Order: sequence, then C-alpha cells, then structure tokens
Amino acid sequence: ETGVTQSPTHLIKTRGQQVTLRCSSQSGHNTVSWYQQALGQGPQFIFQYYREEENGRGNFPPRFSGLQFPNYSSELNVNALELDDSALYLCASSLLAGGHTDTQYFGPGTRLTVL
Amino acid sequence: QQQVKQSPQSLIVQKGGIPIINCAYENTAFDYFPWYQQFPGKGPALLIAIRPDVSEKKEGRFTISFNKSAKQFSLHIMDSQPGDSATYFCAASKPGGSYIPTFGRGTSLIVHP
Repeated sequence: ETGVTQSPTHLIKTRGQQVTLRCSSQSGHNTVSWYQQALGQGPQFIFQYYREEENGRGNFPPRFSGLQFPNYSSELNVNALELDDSALYLCASSLLAGGHTDTQYFGPGTRLTVL
Repeated sequence: QQQVKQSPQSLIVQKGGIPIINCAYENTAFDYFPWYQQFPGKGPALLIAIRPDVSEKKEGRFTISFNKSAKQFSLHIMDSQPGDSATYFCAASKPGGSYIPTFGRGTSLIVHP
C-alpha cells in the first residue's frame, strides 16, 4: 500500500454541477499529478503541481482546475460537469529533487459518476 | 492520437504460462518506459521500468524486452500465477524534471489455476 490517500471513494453528481476531489500525498513528496481513467482505458494526465505551482498540464479544458497546499495535499476541481467526466480520478505523488522526478505513487482513486 | 499502443486488450493463460504484452511508441523523445500493474479498486503500481540504453531488464518473474530500432517493448511474466491476474499498463515518458507518463490502454490478464 502506498501512503497516498484520496477522498471520497465514490461520488455521484448530476450534469452541470461542480465537484472537488481530494488527495493526501505520501510523506516527503512535493509533487502531485492528477489523472483521469475512463473505463477500459489507461490513465490520462490532467495536470501536475510542484510546490503549489502548476508544473504541466494535459489536454483538459479549463473547467478542470487544481490546488496544492503547503502540506502538499491537493484538490482537483471540475466545474460544469459533463456525462463524459464519469471516470476514476487518480492522484499520484512523487518527489522532484535535483531536476529529476522519482517514481509516482498512485492513490486508490475516486470513482465519479455524472448522471 | 495514441502515442503508446498496447496489445492485446485481454489475455488468458494457465498457471505457469508466460503471458507477453506488447507496446509500441511513436515519439523518439521518450526515454523511460515503465510498466504498471493495477488491481480492481486500486491505483496503478509501478512494476518494472527500462531505459533505452539496455535491451532487457529482469526483476523477479517480470522481464522487459526493449527494441529501440523498432520502437517496441514488451513485458513477459514467467511462471505466471493466479495472483498476477490484473490489468497491466505500459507507459512512456520524456526526459526532464516533470515525470509525466503517457499510458497505453491496458491489458487485462487472467491467470487460471
């Protein structure tokens, strides 16, 4: 088991609503990445935060936003939910040091269903 | 555009068999190729990884074979066990400080007792 935790485990929302997902990084890690994993697909990179600043972004619209806090915990916010946003949302923490990122450790994910 | 193509989509073997999962990539800038294992209800976990300067890497029962000229790499699971039943993802990433892997679509492996 990794030290990465996510909450909630499951969530059901309706189209147009907003959602906030939370992630607690593994101790000592300063970088968090968020991924969307649709059913039967591999994880798709949403964005990465390093020391509270966005450090890379995938091909997702601006209604996907994030925050990283001083304790390196993180939030993923999604506005104006669409049916296609239904997926497993994964966060992964890692240590970026000396210009090199260590292995990413994934949390168990939050299963979001949009009706 | 799928930068990392993975096959097969699903695989069934008997205990002791050697399942092989293949991946192909297009971007020659990729320089790190990890494999992840995901059990139901869990996030992916790093299994084994390789860089293009070697053609093979072995860790326990898991072996990666890498063909740089063909831009292909594969995972072999020796003496497979029912506990190996999971979804396997290959991935690839570019050099630089931000490790951001591009994942394949995954292979669902079932190992029958």
